[in-house]
Amino acid sequence: EDQVTQSPEALRLQEGESSSLNCSYTVSGLRGLFWYRQDPGKGPEFLFTLYSAGEEKEKERLKATLTKKESFLHITAPKPEDSATYLCAVQAGDYKLSFGAGTTVTVRA
Amino acid sequence: GAGVSQSPSNKVTEKGKDVELRCDPISGHTALYWYRQRLGQGLEFLIYFQGNSAPDKSGLPSDRFSAERTGESVSTLTIQRTQQEDSAVYLCASSFQLNTEAFFGQGTRLTVV
Repeated sequence: EDQVTQSPEALRLQEGESSSLNCSYTVSGLRGLFWYRQDPGKGPEFLFTLYSAGEEKEKERLKATLTKKESFLHITAPKPEDSATYLCAVQAGDYKLSFGAGTTVTVRA
Repeated sequence: GAGVSQSPSNKVTEKGKDVELRCDPISGHTALYWYRQRLGQGLEFLIYFQGNSAPDKSGLPSDRFSAERTGESVSTLTIQRTQQEDSAVYLCASSFQLNTEAFFGQGTRLTVV
């Protein structure tokens, strides 16, 4: 069974304090790894797709990287508006998306 | 439409009643997913549809849950004889193909009283 573990569960940052979120996975035949952002009361918002080890994607202050066992979401110089829960999901041979429990990031001004 | 649309946004129902939740996917998207998110928990896979292929129903928690989709259009998730443990946000997502990024709707918050 596919397993996705995200750490830490919660992260409190000062504005401008860079940090990284981890997503480790166990999956048979990875098709893709997806990062989403979820704000309270809303559906997940798509951020990145990574398909193979060594791949990197960037968007504003966010950068996602992928190895054979884990993915990192780096937040550079975060702002309060980056506060959200960040979700990682993997897609394997059966095409189902298996989600981690998420990391809740709070950025203080 | 511009995004995935779900209705209703909120639904309060009495225990034992049936409910129907609707999802309008992004036009042209062949794949459609349903997920459940209980309060404070992660997303739980329920079912996905891909074009006219047989759906993957492996995540449906009981036979009280069913879903339909006609072609590449609207999908409905039906919960019969609702129970309090069915209270959750039900999220729908669609993607151009199964192996591309999925875009989520805002969800339907179901409360069973």
